[in-house]
Amino acid sequence: QVQLVESGGGAVQPGRSLRLSCAASGFTFSDYGMHWVRQAPGKGLEWVAAIWYDGNNKYYAESVKGRITISRDNSKDTVYLQMNSLRAEDTAVYYCARGVLGEWFFDYWGQGTLVTVSS
Amino acid sequence: DIQMTQSPSTLSASVGDRVTISCRASQSISNWLAWYQQKPGKAPKLLISRASTLESGVPSRFSGSGSGTEFTLTITSLQPDDFATYYCQQYNNYPLTFGGGTKVEIK
Repeated sequence: QVQLVESGGGAVQPGRSLRLSCAASGFTFSDYGMHWVRQAPGKGLEWVAAIWYDGNNKYYAESVKGRITISRDNSKDTVYLQMNSLRAEDTAVYYCARGVLGEWFFDYWGQGTLVTVSS
Repeated sequence: DIQMTQSPSTLSASVGDRVTISCRASQSISNWLAWYQQKPGKAPKLLISRASTLESGVPSRFSGSGSGTEFTLTITSLQPDDFATYYCQQYNNYPLTFGGGTKVEIK
């Protein structure tokens, strides 16, 4: 069965960096685009970043452009989110999600990992 | 960017009620719209794609309709398991955007 397991969240001070990982299993990872979606405490969903199946195309929300980088290692079935210059407003649960083949919505989600940015 | 506006933001209903949630796009997105259900502390669950295609395993009391800029999620005969927050998401183009959510509460 499809599984997505995020890790790497935690508490960090403003301006610092953090790298999230999402380990995938149960499907051919290299066939699928992957996404990160976040949810601030008590708020709605915000799409953050996407990477195509081969890593050749990446897209970002304006709110994180220049500070966050999505990448993947298809040999490890893992997608990453490198977050630099973190701000208080980056505090959220970060979900990785699988993109449906050929389309840009999400059929499987991980359980999420909490990132708290605070001094 | 395409803005997605959901209404209402909160909805109080009883078991057995018919519930309708609206989602409006700031520009035409054809039928590139998905609906998700989220329960507290859990990841969202995909319900509907392409505005009206029910995902496998989703009860038939859920249905979606609309195209262009106006979309609707309908739950006929609301069940206890349906009390949750619902989000629409456009995938016509990047950046992908979600509606603000509609919380369905017990009346």
